[in-house]
Amino acid sequence: ILNVEQSPQSLHVQEGDSTNFTCSFPSSNFYALHWYRWETAKSPEALFVMTLNGDEKKKGRISATLNTKEGYSYLYIKGSQPEDSATYLCAFAGGTSGSRLTFGEGTQLTVNP
Amino acid sequence: DAMVIQNPRYQVTQFGKPVTLSCSQTLNHNVMYWYQQKSSQAPKLLFHYYDKDFNNEADTPDNFQSRRPNTSFCFLDIRSPGLGDAAMYLCATSRLTGYEQYFGPGTRLTVT
Repeated sequence: ILNVEQSPQSLHVQEGDSTNFTCSFPSSNFYALHWYRWETAKSPEALFVMTLNGDEKKKGRISATLNTKEGYSYLYIKGSQPEDSATYLCAFAGGTSGSRLTFGEGTQLTVNP
Repeated sequence: DAMVIQNPRYQVTQFGKPVTLSCSQTLNHNVMYWYQQKSSQAPKLLFHYYDKDFNNEADTPDNFQSRRPNTSFCFLDIRSPGLGDAAMYLCATSRLTGYEQYFGPGTRLTVT
């Protein structure tokens, strides 16, 4: 059984704060690490798919780093806005095709105005 | 807009009464996935199709079946729903395996 863990489980921040969360995953048999953002009543939306150790990806105020050797990824949000409130899910893809995603339970972020 | 559509958004069924959830996509993606998410837990992959090739997860109960009659549509059949099958069911697609996945909004299944 693959273990993908996210911390913290939930986070409340004030508008303008910067924040970060952690995803830990198996360091062996790695294919990719996915990050998704899931707003209430909407569809989960892909943020990043990261494949290389040391990868850093950025989309607007959101960025992510990847360490495959030690099995962790960080997601950073700079200057949080209320519209960033959502659950952030990471998912580990292993094996030769990366077809099977094992998700963490997510970090629920609430940004207070 | 190209998208992944799930119908219905909410489904109520009775214990033991077969139910079918549907998913359609306008992205023309090769791969379609079904996930089950129980309350506050991680989404769990049930199975996926690469084109017509069906790939079942080892721990997916036999009670769960799937059909993909064409590229655009994929169905999840629960033959005899139990109370423990109440969950959010998410459909997703990707162009190829290993690529980012595009999700539908999910169907929340209640079993009475």
